[in-house]
Formats: sequence, structure tokens, C-alpha cells
Amino acid sequence: DAGVIQSPRHEVTEMGQEVTLRCKPISGHNSLFWYRQTMMRGLELLIYFNNNVPIDDSGMPEDRFSAKMPNASFSTLKIQPSEPRDSAVYFCASSSGGVGYTEAFFGQGTRLTVV
Amino acid sequence: GQSLEQPSEVTAVEGAIVQINCTYQTSGFYGLSWYQQHDGGAPTFLSYNALDGLEETGRFSSFLSRSDSYGYLLLQELQMKDSASYFCAVKEGNTPLVFGKGTRLSVIA
Repeated sequence: DAGVIQSPRHEVTEMGQEVTLRCKPISGHNSLFWYRQTMMRGLELLIYFNNNVPIDDSGMPEDRFSAKMPNASFSTLKIQPSEPRDSAVYFCASSSGGVGYTEAFFGQGTRLTVV
Repeated sequence: GQSLEQPSEVTAVEGAIVQINCTYQTSGFYGLSWYQQHDGGAPTFLSYNALDGLEETGRFSSFLSRSDSYGYLLLQELQMKDSASYFCAVKEGNTPLVFGKGTRLSVIA
């Protein structure tokens, strides 16, 4: 299996622009997570889906952030409009076993820089 | 909510043994995980402890004491490639993993 695939790997954008991050989970996994990593705050959970349904989005910082999972093999995280403080590495992870999972598999991340 | 504490940095000599501690506060505790992350890379799973005791996987071992809300990761026969950040993470009920801030391990010759 190719693992969790994220695109793009790097994104540089200007403040105010819309940014869309993409994730393909491991085939057969039924849970998907979006995390954001910064030096100051570490790895923060933004939102997670179970069987394509958003379960908890309380970690989404503001209404500027939105996430979708239209099918079992694809998810997007959108930031509109982007701001410099959104600069971070965004990770997507997936797991099997439903909400009782014990191991999450991470993608390589998208390094977002908002200037 | 949950909180985890782990040292921010640890330095150890190649070939030595190092222990990275993690204390946590949570309700509905299910288990403690450890992940490794090299610079520029993705977090990768190392271990998961749901029960008290020590679990060994090659050079790496992980320990959990539920009564003390404490765990540690033990790395033996350190190699330069072990230089990375190590995160403990708690599993609380049917909620996703919550990660600590990570411990940056530097292995020196």
C-alpha cells in the first residue's frame, strides 16, 4: 500500500488566498484525521471523520477552515481566506478499527506558508 | 480535557540507553501511544500500551503505569538514526489521539 497520500507537499500562498489541501487515506481505513503541527502548539487535532462523516470539528480554529470527505478515498481541508498565522505543517492520518483504533498512519504532510 | 507532559529535549550518547518520560491527565483513559518523527517527516507509530507493564519491540520498549498516570519510552543501543522527536499520545475513550508536545532526542557520538 502506498500509505496516506497528501498533496501538495509544499504550498506558499499570499494572505487572503484560498488554500486547499488534499488527502487520500489508506484503502480500507474508515477513520481520517486532520492535524496541524507548529513549534508552539505541537500536533493539534483539527477534525476527524468516521465512515466519511465528520464526528468532531471542535479543533477547527475558525470559520475560515472547512473540511470535507465526499468518499472513503478522498478528503480536503480548505482555508479561506488564509492568514500568516495559518502557516504550519498539516498532516492527514487514517486508521482502521473505527473509533477504538490504536494506531494512526500519517501522510508526509503539507507545509503551508502564508505570506 | 487531556494534558500530557514530556521533556522538550534529551541528549544521549551513541550506544547508550535513554528513557523519555510522559505523564498525563485524562479521564476515561484507554491507552498510551508513542510516535517517532524525523525532521521533515511524518509521525510514525512505535507502540501502544493499554495495560500496566513493559512491552518490548527490538531496541525500543514502552512502559505504562495507569495508577501513576505515567509512561516512558526506553531506547537501547542508541544509534545516530534515532535522533528524532518522540511524542507520547493518549487514547481516551472513543476520541482521537491527543499528542504531547514531543521530546527532541539528539544522539551524539
